[in-house]
Amino acid sequence: GQNIDQPTEMTATEGAIVQINCTYQTSGFNGLFWYQQHAGEAPTFLSYNVLDGLEEKGRFSSFLSRSKGYSYLLLKELQMKDSASYLCAVRRISGSARQLTFGSGTQLTVLP
Amino acid sequence: EPEVTQTPSHQVTQMGQEVILRCVPISNHLYFYWYRQILGQKVEFLVSFYNNEISEKSEIFDDQFSVERPDGSNFTLKIRSTKLEDSAMYFCASSEPTGVGGYTFGSGTRLTVV
Repeated sequence: GQNIDQPTEMTATEGAIVQINCTYQTSGFNGLFWYQQHAGEAPTFLSYNVLDGLEEKGRFSSFLSRSKGYSYLLLKELQMKDSASYLCAVRRISGSARQLTFGSGTQLTVLP
Repeated sequence: EPEVTQTPSHQVTQMGQEVILRCVPISNHLYFYWYRQILGQKVEFLVSFYNNEISEKSEIFDDQFSVERPDGSNFTLKIRSTKLEDSAMYFCASSEPTGVGGYTFGSGTRLTVV
């Protein structure tokens, strides 16, 4: 089976930096994704890591350590519009099957 | 930017009725998926579809559910006899094989079973 853990809620101040952690256990690991989801909307792709290390994309960075089953999403220069749920998701490949399994999400609230 | 299109955006149906949710994936994508999200809960995998057949399905995807790619562009999810607990947001997604660009989700269909 798969197990993905991330904090339920986080709060940060506008302009600050926040790090959202995710730990996972899975077989057939083939990538870790971060998505942003505003209430009532679809998940929006933020980043993807398949190899160890840091991927930077503007204000967002994501890190992966496969040996530790650990990833984090770093958000810099927080803006009010960054208030959303951040979903960690693990892709597993088995033959022609590709399954993306989501964690429960971290609800981030950005305060003025 | 290419997008995944879902229709309808909202559907209300009576318990026991059949519903068909429709999706148009991104044209050059090869893998298609259905996910659902019950209000306040996490996004749950239902089924993945590749090369005109189901490649994987979850425990949720029981005999009441079926998927079809009736033509070169549409991808549908049918629920044969809806139950109250089927009320959720249903998301269609598609991806390239490498997944480098991520899975692109449609805006969802909110299904309410009454």
